[in-house]
Amino acid sequence: EDQVTQSPEALRLQEGESSSLNCSYTVSGLRGLFWYRQDPGKGPEFLFTLYSAGEEKEKERLKATLTKKESFLHITAPKPEDSATYLCAFYSGGGADGLTFGKGTHLIIQP
Amino acid sequence: DSGVTQTPKHLITATGQRVTLRCSPRSGDLSVYWYQQSLDQGLQFLIQYYNGEERAKGNILERFSAQQFPDLHSELNLSSLELGDSALYFCASSADGTGGTEAFFGQGTRLTVV
Repeated sequence: EDQVTQSPEALRLQEGESSSLNCSYTVSGLRGLFWYRQDPGKGPEFLFTLYSAGEEKEKERLKATLTKKESFLHITAPKPEDSATYLCAFYSGGGADGLTFGKGTHLIIQP
Repeated sequence: DSGVTQTPKHLITATGQRVTLRCSPRSGDLSVYWYQQSLDQGLQFLIQYYNGEERAKGNILERFSAQQFPDLHSELNLSSLELGDSALYFCASSADGTGGTEAFFGQGTRLTVV
């Protein structure tokens, strides 16, 4: 069964302390790996799409990478405004055309 | 602002009732997706419409239905509501019909069934 697992469930960092969030996936035919950011009570905000192993994308303090089994979201020198839940999702195109989401990593950046 | 508009923002209703949630996609987007987010299940795909036609179904209950109108707005109808249907319901839109392109989410409708 296709599935996605995110770790850790929660992460507390000091401002400026870099770290990485993990997204492990098992899917028969990956056609897209997505990262979203979600603030409390709000809709997910699109960050990145990765399509093939070895691909990397960057946006401000965030960089997403993809291997054949995992994706990482690297956060460099985070600020308190980076606090949010980060969601990973994949699209396999195997019938249902929606995204399959992980449970997310709840990130808190302390000043 | 993603450009996707959902109404209402909050809805409180009783068990057994029926409600309708509305979504206006981003200008130019032909696909609309509906998702349910609960604390224990996370974000679950319900259904997709593309240019007025049902494109794909996910974990949608038979008590739930949706449609997309000629102006591309969509409605999600939830009937015979149960306590367990309390959740955030999100609409997302994308430019084409494949799930492999980025989708942009609305702010959601928080449904509380009492």
